[in-house]
Amino acid sequence: SQTIHQWPATLVQPVGSPLSLECTVEGTSNPNLYWYRQAAGRGLQLLFYSVGIGQISSEVPQNLSASRPQDRQFILSSKKLLLSDSGFYLCAWSINRGDQPQHFGDGTRLSIL
Amino acid sequence: QKEVEQNSGPLSVPEGAIASLNCTYSDRGSQSFFWYRQYSGKSPELIMSIYSNGDKEDGRFTAQLNKASQYVSLLIRDSQPSDSATYLCAVDSSYKLIFGSGTRLLVRP
Repeated sequence: SQTIHQWPATLVQPVGSPLSLECTVEGTSNPNLYWYRQAAGRGLQLLFYSVGIGQISSEVPQNLSASRPQDRQFILSSKKLLLSDSGFYLCAWSINRGDQPQHFGDGTRLSIL
Repeated sequence: QKEVEQNSGPLSVPEGAIASLNCTYSDRGSQSFFWYRQYSGKSPELIMSIYSNGDKEDGRFTAQLNKASQYVSLLIRDSQPSDSATYLCAVDSSYKLIFGSGTRLLVRP
């Protein structure tokens, strides 16, 4: 069966520091991969998605970036964090077909001080 | 802008009652519809998928789809306090899902 791993579970970072969140999927090949952010009490905001290695689509212009160095690895990065980057970051995967559900990792709760 | 609308709630129902959650969407081309449950502080969990008009039942959950009216609903029978969560409706849109902002359900013991 497929599993998705996301780490760390919680992170506290100072303003202006860099960020790297990693997500890996096991048990499937060529998945679609997604990064979301959820602010407290709010809905899901799609940040990036990828349908293949090196293919990244950005949904919201901001100081974050994403990379997919391997088939089942998705990384979210920032060079300098802002206070507004605080939130619950979720990685998700789906079968590489347009009508499939997404399955979420456990998320990373990021607090910026 | 493709949209998915849900009443934010909270929807409060007594234990044992039927909870009815509704969702409307704007993209007539959407073919796949999903319901997720999200407990406070946790990630969303897929509970139902529906692809064709009509009802689909899975245990205490029934998803209903009406493409002509562009709405999807989720019925939870015999609601339990453990069903208290936020329920997210999601609709497919070209390799992405468009999520509603969710309906918070409270089941009173």
